[in-house]
Amino acid sequence: RKEVEQDPGPFNVPEGATVAFNCTYSNSASQSFFWYRQDCRKEPKLLMSVYSSGNEDGRFTAQLNRASQYISLLIRDSKLSDSATYLCVVNRGFGNEKLTFGTGTRLTIIP
Amino acid sequence: EPEVTQTPSHQVTQMGQEVILRCVPISNHLYFYWYRQILGQKVEFLVSFYNNEISEKSEIFDDQFSVERPDGSNFTLKIRSTKLEDSAMYFCASSDRGSVETQYFGPGTRLLVL
Repeated sequence: RKEVEQDPGPFNVPEGATVAFNCTYSNSASQSFFWYRQDCRKEPKLLMSVYSSGNEDGRFTAQLNRASQYISLLIRDSKLSDSATYLCVVNRGFGNEKLTFGTGTRLTIIP
Repeated sequence: EPEVTQTPSHQVTQMGQEVILRCVPISNHLYFYWYRQILGQKVEFLVSFYNNEISEKSEIFDDQFSVERPDGSNFTLKIRSTKLEDSAMYFCASSDRGSVETQYFGPGTRLLVL
């Protein structure tokens, strides 16, 4: 089983729509969880951390279900600038541990 | 905003040649990392470095790879004898408290081995 598994997509959604991404991870001892965004041929950039209680940042909402080892990202009122690949990232620790990336889900927002 | 820089942005080399990829981490950061991404695949951890020594390395990081912090500002990744399968984007990252919240990635070096 892959350490971090995501639906690769692509997701093609109209501007203004709501889109949801899911991710599962295999290591139940994982401690921290993140969504990164990667534009074509660019570096990954931290979008948001994912907390057990769920967290929201503007149009973005992230949820974590430790029992199911499942992470989600919801984007509301999608913008053209949201087009990118969204990477689910897991860290087994809290400190200077390696990041384990999923393969990413490609999102294209259609005008 | 402080940023991680990497040079060169692109590198083309012949199989068997040595390459050195350079990174300048953010100045007050103490933890350094290299990741790679083969075209169309996921980002993979290579190595982490703290206090002038390797903290952790992946199985990808074999004897052909080495890292160094030669002068207190640069952080380098050396591949001694490149293989075709080393062709990838190599990302350097750094953090201050060893927290992923502050792990900043550089723009990457695209390495092509012919």
